[in-house]
Amino acid sequence: KQEVTQIPAALSVPEGENLVLNCSFTDSAIYNLQWFRQDPGKGLTSLLLIQSSQREQTSGRLNASLDKSSGRSTLYIAASQPGDSATYLCAASSNDYKLSFGAGTTVTVRA
Amino acid sequence: DGGITQSPKYLFRKEGQNVTLSCEQNLNHDAMYWYRQDPGQGLRLIYYSQIVNDFQKGDIAEGYSVSREKKESFPLTVTSAQKNPTAFYLCASSKWTADSDYGYTFGSGTRLTVV
Repeated sequence: KQEVTQIPAALSVPEGENLVLNCSFTDSAIYNLQWFRQDPGKGLTSLLLIQSSQREQTSGRLNASLDKSSGRSTLYIAASQPGDSATYLCAASSNDYKLSFGAGTTVTVRA
Repeated sequence: DGGITQSPKYLFRKEGQNVTLSCEQNLNHDAMYWYRQDPGQGLRLIYYSQIVNDFQKGDIAEGYSVSREKKESFPLTVTSAQKNPTAFYLCASSKWTADSDYGYTFGSGTRLTVV
């Protein structure tokens, strides 16, 4: 069974600092990996999707890398802003299309 | 705009009562999913459906039931057999394809509380 771990569980940084969020998974036979953002009491918003054949994806200030052989993905957020404060979840998709989620990293960006 | 609509946003259940959570999508996605989220834990899969009139149990299906009579709709019933139903419930959908570029779209969630 796929196990997904996110470290750290919480992170607090001053505005303008770059954020590095880590995600590890136990089964390298993933279909794709998706990063989500969740605000308190809200649903999940998709940020980036990396297909299994890709090494990274970029969208604005966000960049996500994928290393299947080591079972790791990293989400980088450049020049953080208070509006980036949220919980970030990674999810690995297996070939049966089911997603396995990490518990998330809660980010606080201090103004 | 295409998306997923979950209702109600908040739901209160009395002991021994069945309640149904609604999930509707207009994305023309084949697959739909129900997840449960508890504080400090990752999302856990309850049920999923790939096509109309077919669905499969996820990791924590006990005490829940679903139906998929229409492509757009995937309601979840929390039965009295579910001993700890207080949680945040999220519905999602995706394409069902061999391509790996599909992604999941989530609704805004229903918070269920036992009173």
